[in-house]
Amino acid sequence: QQQVKQSPQSLIVQKGGISIINCAYENTAFDYFPWYQQFPGKGPALLIAIRPDVSEKKEGRFTISFNKSAKQFSLHIMDSQPGDSATYFCAASPRGGYQKVTFGTGTKLQVIP
Amino acid sequence: GAVVSQHPSRVICKSGTSVKIECRSLDFQATTMFWYRQFPKKSLMLMATSNEGSKATYEQGVEKDKFLINHASLTLSTLTVTSAHPEDSSFYICSARGPGPTLNEQFFGPGTRLTVL
Repeated sequence: QQQVKQSPQSLIVQKGGISIINCAYENTAFDYFPWYQQFPGKGPALLIAIRPDVSEKKEGRFTISFNKSAKQFSLHIMDSQPGDSATYFCAASPRGGYQKVTFGTGTKLQVIP
Repeated sequence: GAVVSQHPSRVICKSGTSVKIECRSLDFQATTMFWYRQFPKKSLMLMATSNEGSKATYEQGVEKDKFLINHASLTLSTLTVTSAHPEDSSFYICSARGPGPTLNEQFFGPGTRLTVL
């Protein structure tokens, strides 16, 4: 019940295209859904996060779509650039200040020129 | 703001030796820090949760006598891999609970690559 399922495992997108990564969860106690971007040999960096009281959050080219009833959320990267090539992790954590974060399995994105 | 550093970034040691990795929150106080381990092309695996001034809480399957965690101050947590063996070779990442409005937010360090020969 603590798992966060992420797909696809890898993704190749043309420059300027839209990259879409999907995640699904089971635990209804999850209350915070961040996305992290990780470059090789580096730690993850928080990209964007959403709470279930909104269905969409946009920051620049990055948008999270959230479907509470389906227990699914996704990351859309608009106008994908080669510099976006990285591994992306979705994650979830329950309400409460000191709850641990459960990570998805990761998606390796490659944006080709 | 919300910068977390790790030292060293890379360490190579002989089998049987102990290695200490430091994690520091540079511009905020972190009452809670987390230690993760990441294998190549895999997700992050939480090893333990470290609260300042108290014993760390280890995840199931993580040997607390092998991976010693100390959170001595609000800005420093250390992970010591004792009697390291080649199977301990991995990428170790710490994170700190952020100072922002959401207590769930974590900021990650750059990671430490441990290679045990």
